[in-house]
Amino acid sequence: DAGVIQSPRHEVTEMGQEVTLRCKPISGHNSLFWYRQTMMRGLELLIYFNNNVPIDDSGMPEDRFSAKMPNASFSTLKIQPSEPRDSAVYFCASSLGTSGSGSGANVLTFGAGSRLTVL
Amino acid sequence: KQEVTQIPAALSVPEGENLVLNCSFTDSAIYNLQWFRQDPGKGLTSLLLIQSSQREQTSGRLNASLDKSSGRSTLYIAASQPGDSATYLCAVRYAGGTSYGKLTFGQGTILTVHP
Repeated sequence: DAGVIQSPRHEVTEMGQEVTLRCKPISGHNSLFWYRQTMMRGLELLIYFNNNVPIDDSGMPEDRFSAKMPNASFSTLKIQPSEPRDSAVYFCASSLGTSGSGSGANVLTFGAGSRLTVL
Repeated sequence: KQEVTQIPAALSVPEGENLVLNCSFTDSAIYNLQWFRQDPGKGLTSLLLIQSSQREQTSGRLNASLDKSSGRSTLYIAASQPGDSATYLCAVRYAGGTSYGKLTFGQGTILTVHP
């Protein structure tokens, strides 16, 4: 398996522009997570999906952020309009299952991240 | 509030030393705890996952322990090597409520192993 695939790896954009980040989870995984990492705040969970359904979006900073998962193999995180404070590395991760038991289950596999710079 | 704290924030050791990284969490109701490694400019790599019913997990030179009652986990690295230099992150999957299924991360320990 190629692992969790994210695109783009790097994006530089100007304030006010729309940004769309994409993620392809590992085949067979039924949970998908979007995280944001900054030096000041570390890793923060933005939203996660289970079986394509958003379960907890309490980490989404504001209405400018939206996430979708139209099918089991694809998710997007959109920022519109973007602001300089959105500059960060955005990670997508996937896992099999969300229950607390099961050997091998719940291991979270991360993508390489999308580094966003908003000027 | 469910939090995860890692101590120390940074650690610098000579090659060959055995070392311990610490992680503490505020609520003993957890599903599991996971240790990750992150190299500069890279994503996170899962090292070890300990289920709530387990006390420790081992992989090669790494050993992670879990004490739910005290809200602590340690990552032990034996015979450290320069290639172990990275940021090590602890993450807890808390049980119950809206936290079900999500990981709460610590701020990480930056490890440098000198040749």
